Amino acid sequence: DAGITQSPRHKVTETGTPVTLRCHQTENHRYMYWYRQDPGHGLRLIHYSYGVKDTDKGEVSDGYSVSRSKTEDFLLTLESATSSQTSVYFCAISDWTGEGYGYTFGSGTRLTVV
Amino acid sequence: AQKVTQAQTEISVVEKEDVTLDCVYETRDTTYYLFWYKQPPSGELVFLIRRNSFDEQNEISGRYSWNFQKSTSSFNFTITASQVVDSAVYFCAPPPWPFQKLVFGTGTRLLVSP
Repeated sequence: DAGITQSPRHKVTETGTPVTLRCHQTENHRYMYWYRQDPGHGLRLIHYSYGVKDTDKGEVSDGYSVSRSKTEDFLLTLESATSSQTSVYFCAISDWTGEGYGYTFGSGTRLTVV
Repeated sequence: AQKVTQAQTEISVVEKEDVTLDCVYETRDTTYYLFWYKQPPSGELVFLIRRNSFDEQNEISGRYSWNFQKSTSSFNFTITASQVVDSAVYFCAPPPWPFQKLVFGTGTRLLVSP
């Protein structure tokens, strides 16, 4: 499996506090993504990156920011956490490889905002 | 705009029954990929298969088979002789050109009872 890890795996935080989730990859893939998963909505894209310091918004980007200072790390920050941001967050990486186009997900981070 | 539809919200079968999960992908792109993922109760997203629009041959992997029909934009997934361990949510997900930002359907929950 592709080397992609998310940290932390679980987090409980209070409303109004900033929270940063980390995604780390060892595959040197160009593209990285943050999704959130909520009941009834499937997975929705928050932000994505197509290279170091190159990021763009997804469909549900309000209240979130991202940074990518190195190829291997993609950080998702909730600037001031709200209860509506309670969710499971997935990081993903993709790129063209010898086997074609690949897309791999991390194990997820369960975030609870109280 | 591209649209992916998994019309079956939930399917319940008894072990050893065959079951087909439907996915319809509407797009104007002439070249595209389609992915299927499985999300078991443990929560991780497990990659099952990737197909491209140039390959219309059906593919079989053990008890899993995929039927891709470009003319109807359907990419259906069949499990033969279902088992309790097949119980999961199954997502069909195409990445629109240029194959970034994987777009997920809402998923089909499969429940296999003994």
